[in-house]
Amino acid sequence: QSALTQPASVSGSPGQSLTISCTGTSSDIGGYNYVSWYQQHPGKHPKLIIYEVNYRPSGISDRFSGSKSGNTASLTISGLQAEDEADYYCSSHRSTSYRNTVTLAPVIFGGGTKLTVL
Amino acid sequence: QVQLQESGPGLVKPSETLSLACTVSGGSIASYQWSWIRQTSGKGLEWIGYLYYSGSTNYNPSLRSRVTISVDTSKNQISLKLRSVTAADTAIYYCARDYTGWYAFDIWGQGTTVTVSS
Repeated sequence: QSALTQPASVSGSPGQSLTISCTGTSSDIGGYNYVSWYQQHPGKHPKLIIYEVNYRPSGISDRFSGSKSGNTASLTISGLQAEDEADYYCSSHRSTSYRNTVTLAPVIFGGGTKLTVL
Repeated sequence: QVQLQESGPGLVKPSETLSLACTVSGGSIASYQWSWIRQTSGKGLEWIGYLYYSGSTNYNPSLRSRVTISVDTSKNQISLKLRSVTAADTAIYYCARDYTGWYAFDIWGQGTTVTVSS
């Protein structure tokens, strides 16, 4: 598995709520509560907005929330604002062995979702 | 507050060694894991490896044979060396602090673009 699966793009209108999904396997999202979400504006570095599935770092708006069910994690943004337009990436810690033969990196990222505010 | 600043050549020739430094200011390297992460338009975000302040390291298996991450505590600096580079190593390289020890990166440098080309 080379990356967690995210929708390539989502869109919503100001004030709406919107959810971005991130699908993995039982070896990553399903097996650990170490899912993070990042927001990245063009030309900027990623910014941590959710860690350990549903915790927000200090200074992050409570409009951002995270959850997990089985092998899928979700980021929900409520009260959508123009400034939320950005790329969003999920990541997860994962098991580093695969079929007892392959060693994997301990963290895997999603391919990213471009959020457009209409 | 803690800030990270990457530095190093923006252009590296194929087969040569990419060398970057990450200077930590406003705080100590102690008690955290410090990672290098790269971002390409094609493969997205890829974790390269981390260094714990004590000097222990862990690398992405896909890069392990070519990567060395080291620390200079007197300069509060973490270094990355990637040997035998190819065009596939062209990317934006970030250093980042692991907030929890479980791959939640809360502080990032601004990133430095490295192009591999003759």
